[in-house]
Amino acid sequence: AQSVAQPEDQVNVAEGNPLTVKCTYSVSGNPYLFWYVQYPNRGLQFLLKYITGDNLVKGSYGFEAEFNKSQTSFHLKKPSALVSDSALYFCAPSDNYGQNFVFGPGTRLSVLP
Amino acid sequence: EAQVTQNPRYLITVTGKKLTVTCSQNMNHEYMSWYRQDPGLGLRQIYYSMNVEVTDKGDVPEGYKVSRKEKRNFPLILESPSPNQTSLYFCASSSLRSTGLNTGELFFGEGSRLTVL
Repeated sequence: AQSVAQPEDQVNVAEGNPLTVKCTYSVSGNPYLFWYVQYPNRGLQFLLKYITGDNLVKGSYGFEAEFNKSQTSFHLKKPSALVSDSALYFCAPSDNYGQNFVFGPGTRLSVLP
Repeated sequence: EAQVTQNPRYLITVTGKKLTVTCSQNMNHEYMSWYRQDPGLGLRQIYYSMNVEVTDKGDVPEGYKVSRKEKRNFPLILESPSPNQTSLYFCASSSLRSTGLNTGELFFGEGSRLTVL
């Protein structure tokens, strides 16, 4: 069974500054880790994933995430935030490559102009 | 265009009146799933299906039914809706095989907001 924690309900950052949205997880076996984004009144969209290989994975819209096995973390990052990045972000570990996902409660990112 | 289509997008109903939320995908995905999204709780899985005629319970299946008679369709049925089923519902699909663009990520519909009075 897997579980996930996103310790921050809300993250505020100024436009142009770097951003980090935190995620820690617990899975049995090899972790398959995903980030999704939800814009207002929309469904969730895939951002990036870690399956194996390089610990730093790059995804859509300039986002990247760093897998840290010892800390069981998969933090989402972006070097320079945009106002349009304001949305709800979900970390989602999976127990078997995209089958049973567990979604975190979400972190609301607000990028201030 | 690859998409997951849910209907209706918005529905207000009364306690006990059976309703069905339809979900259809055009990507030939094997896997389909229903989630509900409630404030502070994130997304919780209701039911999922690995392929035609194969369905299984998620974390919160009580009060819901599903069927998977065709690969593209995965309707969610509320036989006797109650107010605690007021929620935002999402259907999602994915491929179970990693072949180029099919990399295991979920594709979501736009959501169906259900209110049960």
